[in-house]
Amino acid sequence: ETGVTQSPTHLIKTRGQQVTLRCSSQSGHNTVSWYQQALGQGPQFIFQYYREEENGRGNFPPRFSGLQFPNYSSELNVNALELDDSALYLCASSPGLAGKETQYFGPGTRLLVL
Amino acid sequence: QQQVKQSPQSLIVQKGGISIINCAYENTAFDYFPWYQQFPGKGPALLIAIRPDVSEKKEGRFTISFNKSAKQFSLHIMDSQPGDSATYFCAARGSSGSRLTFGEGTQLTVNP
Repeated sequence: ETGVTQSPTHLIKTRGQQVTLRCSSQSGHNTVSWYQQALGQGPQFIFQYYREEENGRGNFPPRFSGLQFPNYSSELNVNALELDDSALYLCASSPGLAGKETQYFGPGTRLLVL
Repeated sequence: QQQVKQSPQSLIVQKGGISIINCAYENTAFDYFPWYQQFPGKGPALLIAIRPDVSEKKEGRFTISFNKSAKQFSLHIMDSQPGDSATYFCAARGSSGSRLTFGEGTQLTVNP
């Protein structure tokens, strides 16, 4: 059984650009959540997808958007990048109903916006 | 508005000692309280979790103590080892919610 994987591991972008981050959920998991972890802080919830539908969103602007595919993998898209978007982006998957089960985190994608 | 407050920010313990990390929450709708351990360059890994119908849960050297009336919970690491050196996060989740709300983290260093 493979765990949660994310790609790429590191990414450097410039302000105003767009970025797409990818996540493959753990086998058998149908719920994916995305979190932003700024340096020295706890993860902040961005949004969650359950069976390809958004199921909850945190306090992030609309330029943060996502998708979940039929195989339950997921993408996080960020448009018009700002310097403050520099962070570790974490994906977590969970089995069962809409994230009420334990969430298992991937290693994250480190994004640097210059 | 931060809903989960964690302390201390950093903690240094000698090998074999007890590490104690505290968290307090505000939202009474929270009903699931996990602790995560994060090593540098890795994602958070679930360590232990508790629901408010019990006051204590123990798994090996790790114990969660929960005080529902005070809206506080804590992680105790007994016989701390250098390999326990990591950042620890408490978190909380509501019964109707999908999101985990995390504390700010505690960087634990266990000296040999």
